[in-house]
Amino acid sequence: DIQMTQSPSSLSASVGDRVTITCRASQSISNYLNWYQQKPGKAPKLLIYAASSLQSGVPSRFSGSGSGTDFTLTIRSLQPEDFATYYCQQSYSNPTFGQGTKVEIK
Amino acid sequence: QVQVQQSGPGLVKPSQTLSLTCDISGDSVSSNSAAWNWIRQSPSRGLEWLGRTYYRSKWYNDYALSVKSRIIINPDTSKNQFSLQLNSVTPEDTAVYYCARSGDLSYWFFDLWGRGTLVTVSS
Repeated sequence: DIQMTQSPSSLSASVGDRVTITCRASQSISNYLNWYQQKPGKAPKLLIYAASSLQSGVPSRFSGSGSGTDFTLTIRSLQPEDFATYYCQQSYSNPTFGQGTKVEIK
Repeated sequence: QVQVQQSGPGLVKPSQTLSLTCDISGDSVSSNSAAWNWIRQSPSRGLEWLGRTYYRSKWYNDYALSVKSRIIINPDTSKNQFSLQLNSVTPEDTAVYYCARSGDLSYWFFDLWGRGTLVTVSS
């Protein structure tokens, strides 16, 4: 299985901050990388697919970039509803997920 | 509005079989542009994809290596649903189980999720 490693595991930020989360794959996965947001007690929600494509209905403050083994999710101006846990997922082979990054209020 | 919703027992005894069903509304289990997945989440294992079923002129299944020897995912076209059967469960199989849709077979992202069912394996 391809291992996905996210950093940091958690971060504290304020409303309006720019936030960047990193995901690294254990081998090259081209752009087969997706990002999800999960709030407590809810299912994950798709934000970004194919590394940089914004899912329909997702605010444009979310963006993704990267290719190969290194990827980033950026939230341009953090909003109160963005405090959640974020996961990356590779789809180059059978899907595997990162361990998550919890974004908390500073 | 497209929805998926899983159902099934919340408690299963060790060594027995975990069985869940996912009802689909607004889409078809036989769709030529969708695949139907089971994913689970636990504090110890995180998010773990278990397997999928999909129809492309015939039925296909893919399973995670970690559960391949004891998992079956079946479509039921008459009820527009699909099911998960996980045999010989242990407490390690305690998790929230989700059914989810993926569209593109290549990019394999999960764009529609059920609300999740907590399944506890305990005697």
